[in-house]
Amino acid sequence: DQQVKQNSPSLSVQEGRISILNCDYTNSMFDYFLWYKKYPAEGPTFLISISSIKDKNEDGRFTVFLNKSAKHLSLHIVPSQPGDSAVYFCAASDSGAGSYQLTFGKGTKLSVIP
Amino acid sequence: NAGVMQNPRHLVRRRGQEARLRCSPMKGHSHVYWYRQLPEEGLKFMVYLQKENIIDESGMPKERFSAEFPKEGPSILRIQQVVRGDSAAYFCASSPWTEANTGELFFGEGSRLTVL
Repeated sequence: DQQVKQNSPSLSVQEGRISILNCDYTNSMFDYFLWYKKYPAEGPTFLISISSIKDKNEDGRFTVFLNKSAKHLSLHIVPSQPGDSAVYFCAASDSGAGSYQLTFGKGTKLSVIP
Repeated sequence: NAGVMQNPRHLVRRRGQEARLRCSPMKGHSHVYWYRQLPEEGLKFMVYLQKENIIDESGMPKERFSAEFPKEGPSILRIQQVVRGDSAAYFCASSPWTEANTGELFFGEGSRLTVL
């Protein structure tokens, strides 16, 4: 039972263009959503998050959008840079169950082509 | 300013042996979490510990797996009588507090266990 789904295993984008990574979830109890970035042989690094009371959060080149009715969130990276090439994990938590219990998707491998 | 330190980075064990994975949290962090990533999967929560206490082990298999975070020293994830299905990357994470914790955990580089 996959509660957080990232349906695109990989994505290739030209440098300077927008990267859009998508994530769907099924558990309506999730109230906090995060994106983590992971380089090979390293641990995941926190990138950006959004609470369920918001529909958008922006941090520099990174913006996360949340559509609660559709149980969908997306991460936009503008402009994309070669250093953004990594695996991106969407994660969600239910604060009632413990915010530390993150449920992760399987990840999307982003390749930014120079 | 060391981050979360895990060792060993790579561990090879034969079926039936024991595996011990160690994790030192970031300085100032007193909360430790273990996650497991099976091949082609996302990370899955296993256990949450504070010093000398297991707070939540709901994600940990009931048999063969145990975790501790002693008063002194690193947190240890112990897997007894390993089987091939235990082959995975085991990630430790830490955080400074939980009341305001929003899941922004600091992860180590992981320990990759291979069971032959």
